[in-house]
Amino acid sequence: SYELTQPPSVSVSPGQTARITCSGDALPKQYAYWYQQKPGQAPVLVIYKDSERPSGIPERFSGSSSGTTVTLTISGVQAEDEADYYCQSADSSGTLFGGGTKLTVL
Amino acid sequence: QVTLRESGPALVKPTQTLTLTCTFSGFSLSTSGMCVSWIRQPPGKALEWLARIDWDDDKYYSTSLKTRLTISKDTSKNQVVLTMTNMDPVDTATYYCARMSSSSWPTFDYWGQGTLVTVSS
Repeated sequence: SYELTQPPSVSVSPGQTARITCSGDALPKQYAYWYQQKPGQAPVLVIYKDSERPSGIPERFSGSSSGTTVTLTISGVQAEDEADYYCQSADSSGTLFGGGTKLTVL
Repeated sequence: QVTLRESGPALVKPTQTLTLTCTFSGFSLSTSGMCVSWIRQPPGKALEWLARIDWDDDKYYSTSLKTRLTISKDTSKNQVVLTMTNMDPVDTATYYCARMSSSSWPTFDYWGQGTLVTVSS
């Protein structure tokens, strides 16, 4: 069955760049979306259609796509960016989430 | 102002059927393009999409759970109900309902706060 694969964890120091990948065979044909989830909270959309940023999301969040892999990049990571990040894709019949990546700010 | 709120039992026994209700406001599920999904998250684990119901009553289910799930809506009450049969301890999770609209598709623009369901004898 189709899956979206993310690394379980990524660690960076404040001010550095964090890159979180999401791989899936359908990603060349489907857009990917990224959510940020902090403990005890519902997820919040931070990137849509691979690289678009919703209003209110800081410019340090960006997305890119290459083949079967999409990447969420957080430039100049801040302590407040420590969270779990999930990629999502969808077709007309359903939605799929990746396994999530815990971003730790050292 | 769009809000969604999940309600249901906090504790169910193995083999029982779980019934969860999502009560929402600020939009109508009879409006073209509106959808409500159920998503769950076991403690410390990833999000898992379960089911979706659309404004036109089309229904979609997770392939792995479709035999156990039923989603329905009561447009007059602004409610979406999810039933899951044959509950097991591995189904212990926070269950969220979330809205998807024609402008946000296929992302979820509003989420409920979630309700924790524990499956234990």
